[in-house]
Amino acid sequence: GEDVEQSLFLSVREGDSSVINCTYTDSSSTYLYWYKQEPGAGLQLLTYIFSNMDMKQDQRLTVLLNKKDKHLSLRIADTQTGDSAIYFCAVSGNTPLVFGKGTRLSVIA
Amino acid sequence: DTGVSQDPRHKITKRGQNVTFRCDPISEHNRLYWYRQTLGQGPEFLTYFQNEAQLEKSRLLSDRFSAERPKGSFSTLEIQRTEQGDSAMYLCASTLKGQVPSGNTIYFGEGSWLTVV
Repeated sequence: GEDVEQSLFLSVREGDSSVINCTYTDSSSTYLYWYKQEPGAGLQLLTYIFSNMDMKQDQRLTVLLNKKDKHLSLRIADTQTGDSAIYFCAVSGNTPLVFGKGTRLSVIA
Repeated sequence: DTGVSQDPRHKITKRGQNVTFRCDPISEHNRLYWYRQTLGQGPEFLTYFQNEAQLEKSRLLSDRFSAERPKGSFSTLEIQRTEQGDSAMYLCASTLKGQVPSGNTIYFGEGSWLTVV
C-alpha cells in the first residue's frame, strides 16, 4: 500500500523560510495535500496540488512536486510563531487519503 | 455552513461500554470519511461512504467498530465494548466527489477525543 514519509521535527527562526519535505511511494497518487494541526485541534487544509502540476503558490505557501522522485515539499515564507504546529503530508489516488506521521515545526522568536 | 461538525468533542468512558460519535459533513458533500489518530501518529483511515453506501470497511480496526450513513447526510461511528487501546481522536472528513478541481478538497472536522478508563 501507499507509504508517506516525513521528517519528524523542524526548527526555524521567526522570519526565516521553512521547508517541510515528504516522500511517497504510489506513483498513481493524483492529489497531494498539506494539512496543519495545532494542539488538540483537527486538521486544517492548507493547500493541495494536482499531480499534473509541479508548483503551486498561495500567499506565503509554495508547494513543489517532483513526480519522478515522488517528492513533495511545502515552503513557508517569513515563518511566524503562529505557524508553530504539526504539518501533515497526505496523498490520494486509487486509495483514500494516506497521511505521513507529521512534521512538528517549532518557530523560535 | 461552517464546516464539518463532530459531536461529542470529548468522551470519557469506562472499558466495556459502547460509544457513538456523530459527524455532520459540509452540506452537499457526497463523500464522508472516518479516520483515527493516536498520539504522535498521522490519521489512519477507517472507512468511507459515497452518499449512503459504505465503499470500504475492511480497514475498520475490529468487528467492534461499525459506521453508518443512513440517509447520505450525517454519519455515526460506534465502538462496542471499548478497550483502553481505543483511546484516540476520531476524525471525520468530507468532500464533494466528482467535480474537479473542487471535488477533491477534503475537509476535516475538529475531531472527537475518546478516553477509555
